[in-house]
Amino acid sequence: EAGVTQFPSHSVIEKGQTVTLRCDPISGHDNLYWYRRVMGKEIKFLLHFVKESKQDESGMPNNRFLAERTGGTYSTLKVQPAELEDSGVYFCASSQQYVSEAFFGQGTRLTVV
Amino acid sequence: AQTVTQSQPEMSVQEAETVTLSCTYDTSESDYYLFWYKQPPSRQMILVIRQEAYKQQNATENRFSVNFQKAAKSFSLKISDSQLGDAAMYFCAYNAPLTGTASKLTFGTGTRLQVTL
Repeated sequence: EAGVTQFPSHSVIEKGQTVTLRCDPISGHDNLYWYRRVMGKEIKFLLHFVKESKQDESGMPNNRFLAERTGGTYSTLKVQPAELEDSGVYFCASSQQYVSEAFFGQGTRLTVV
Repeated sequence: AQTVTQSQPEMSVQEAETVTLSCTYDTSESDYYLFWYKQPPSRQMILVIRQEAYKQQNATENRFSVNFQKAAKSFSLKISDSQLGDAAMYFCAYNAPLTGTASKLTFGTGTRLQVTL
């Protein structure tokens, strides 16, 4: 069974540009989460989808971040325009309905220069 | 708000020895889950062990075990017979799902474990 897949694995962009991260969850997992880890700090929650609906987006830092989950399958996280403080590792995770154990992808390392 | 604290940024252990990673948390909930996740360099984060707060017995998974002290809000991870493949970043995490739902994890800052020969 394929795990959670994220791409790209690395992205280096200039301040002001746009970047789109993609996450493919495990097939059949209704729950999809985005997290971010800024260098040396804790992994912070960004948002939670249940199927195609946003269940909790309390962690989204500002309106430069837009997350979508098309048809309840893969998800994208777009940052537009990117700022220096957006640099970090973005993790995606998925879980089955009603289950607390989440399976993580490898993460996307975003560097904004 | 729930918080998770890992006070050891880095730890080192010799192969075959035992190491304990510390984690404390703060919550007003009575029912919750605690996790230890492991992230090897450039690889996926994987679940090492899980503890349900209502269970008094400490969880164990092969060489990994926890010391769960609910009153003290402490959740340490013990790795016995350490192996080179145990070298990774270890994250302690907390989750308090509402009944019948899944919800977000709250993480600590992580402990980087080095395993030496």
